[in-house]
Amino acid sequence: QKEVEQNSGPLSVPEGAIASLNCTYSDRGSQSFFWYRQYSGKSPELIMSIYSNGDKEDGRFTAQLNKASQYVSLLIRDSQPSDSATYLCAVNPGGQNFVFGPGTRLSVLP
Amino acid sequence: DVKVTQSSRYLVKRTGEKVFLECVQDMDHENMFWYRQDPGLGLRLIYFSYDVKMKEKGDIPEGYSVSREKKERFSLILESASTNQTSMYLCASSSSPWGGGGYTFGSGTRLTVV
Repeated sequence: QKEVEQNSGPLSVPEGAIASLNCTYSDRGSQSFFWYRQYSGKSPELIMSIYSNGDKEDGRFTAQLNKASQYVSLLIRDSQPSDSATYLCAVNPGGQNFVFGPGTRLSVLP
Repeated sequence: DVKVTQSSRYLVKRTGEKVFLECVQDMDHENMFWYRQDPGLGLRLIYFSYDVKMKEKGDIPEGYSVSREKKERFSLILESASTNQTSMYLCASSSSPWGGGGYTFGSGTRLTVV
């Protein structure tokens, strides 16, 4: 069974701080990795993708991948209350579909 | 923007009914997926399709079937609805056969079976 694990949270950070969200996966052959944001009652929306080791930055978001440790993370700089949501890590172990983690609930406190 | 449209936002059905959930995408994507999302369990793949008339079982196909007669439309069928199928159902599509670029999700259908 291919697994993706995340701390369910809630993770609470003050406004303006850095939020760090972590994800580990079991399938060493996984090739592509994604972070989705899901607001309460809404569907997930893609915010970041990463395919190779290292960091990838997009605005206030940075995705980090370490395939040797089977670890992917998402950093949100200058966190805003509007970032409060559940963040889902998704891993493609090969093929057309993904395995999703259970999500980490982030709360940014004003 | 890619649009994935699910026909119903909320649905209430009775136990034993046959239920159809419809999903349409407008970007000519080959791959379409049906997930259900439950608290504490996350997103679980029910079925997916990588071409017209093609379908593959996901992790939890029992009690469900699918139909893909046209490229843009992927239907999920609950053959005989049961209360344990009460859930949020999410349809998604992607253009890449290997999942690159991620999914675009529909807005979801919250199904309650009573």
